[in-house]
Amino acid sequence: ETGVTQTPRHLVMGMTNKKSLKCEQHLGHNAMYWYKQSAKKPLELMFVYSLEERVENNSVPSRFSPECPNSSHLFLHLHTLQPEDSALYLCASSQVIVGENIQYFGAGTRLSVL
Amino acid sequence: DAKTTQPTSMDCAEGRAANLPCNHSTISGNEYVYWYRQIHSQGPQYIIHGLKNNETNEMASLIITEDRKSSTLILPHATLRDTAVYYCIVRAPGTYKYIFGTGTRLKVLA
Repeated sequence: ETGVTQTPRHLVMGMTNKKSLKCEQHLGHNAMYWYKQSAKKPLELMFVYSLEERVENNSVPSRFSPECPNSSHLFLHLHTLQPEDSALYLCASSQVIVGENIQYFGAGTRLSVL
Repeated sequence: DAKTTQPTSMDCAEGRAANLPCNHSTISGNEYVYWYRQIHSQGPQYIIHGLKNNETNEMASLIITEDRKSSTLILPHATLRDTAVYYCIVRAPGTYKYIFGTGTRLKVLA
């Protein structure tokens, strides 16, 4: 148990559906992250929120929409996804202090787009 | 961020020390070295990190060469549960981004 909880663990959706992934951290951290891990590829950073403000958006298509209502919660809203968006979506959190940034990851949501 | 180079895969006998190397020859003076591992289809797990000095915790030891161009993660007594992909990451202070490579797939053999 890392203190970062992701729900749901598995999600199957059609290309016309709208769904949301949820992440909650119980570590008192001030930064949260979304990563995507496609089959046999390295993790790719999608979004970063620091103190509830988005500070990084790595050219992610607009069909992925993040939301960070407070420092403990992070959402990833999904709409009109494509089959190539099927992947493991990972949330992480960290306490950003001078010099160090240890990220703690959730178990991920396995998304399948049909 | 500096790039890292790791062997694609390694085997280790159960109970023996696993030594996982990482090359980061372009590392800058203020960049930290982090090690994570990922067991199949789970989220990456933080193991250890360091700047200049060698570090040890309950999971592993991190040996960083004096010139900081390479490091070695040591699992002192590998168990079957240590079978995973191990990532070496170099990150500069003030940035949020970890750049994950393809890592080293460690297989611990009974």
